[in-house]
Amino acid sequence: DTAVSQTPKYLVTQMGNDKSIKCEQNLGHDTMYWYKQDSKKFLKIMFSYNNKELIINETVPNRFSPKSPDKAHLNLHINSLELGDSAVYFCASSFSGGAEPQHFGDGTRLSIL
Amino acid sequence: KQEVTQIPAALSVPEGENLVLNCSFTDSAIYNLQWFRQDPGKGLTSLLLIQSSQREQTSGRLNASLDKSSGRSTLYIAASQPGDSATYLCAVRGVTGGGNKLTFGTGTQLKVEL
Repeated sequence: DTAVSQTPKYLVTQMGNDKSIKCEQNLGHDTMYWYKQDSKKFLKIMFSYNNKELIINETVPNRFSPKSPDKAHLNLHINSLELGDSAVYFCASSFSGGAEPQHFGDGTRLSIL
Repeated sequence: KQEVTQIPAALSVPEGENLVLNCSFTDSAIYNLQWFRQDPGKGLTSLLLIQSSQREQTSGRLNASLDKSSGRSTLYIAASQPGDSATYLCAVRGVTGGGNKLTFGTGTQLKVEL
């Protein structure tokens, strides 16, 4: 029943590790996004994919690599995790074109030790 | 570059009061503006979406207005309740980048007290 689902919900790991976050949507949307919410609660877009193609990359370090195997899935892999990567990562989806709302997942809370 | 600002940053009101949250944006080339609610430790819940051609949208006790030319939106909450306590975020969907980019405001943390 969940529209946009992310796993895991919580992720605690050590600096230097590599981790992945998965996102799936069952709304039939053609566009998916990753946002980062920092410790000050400010939300900022990281990536956007439309029909499996990268269309937005907001100067994110190349340790972050999104992958979209199909238009219903957008995963985020992070290499060599750093303390500053601690944040909440939100996945979202929508139809392209601008008129439709974006629907958000519940977030993945990443803590780097 | 689009910048979105929300005032006030925090607000505490007694139950039953009507209140207004403000959102301003610097680039009026937008497709729409969306208001969200975020509860502590939770995701974002979409409250209202106003298209650039619209002036306002209403849902229950919530009313959002949009003045695109002046770069402003307000969220009006009538007869506030403790359950309205949350952080409210506005976000604009800009025309650049294929209309797929949401730029978020800094949020207003609302507390409604008994």
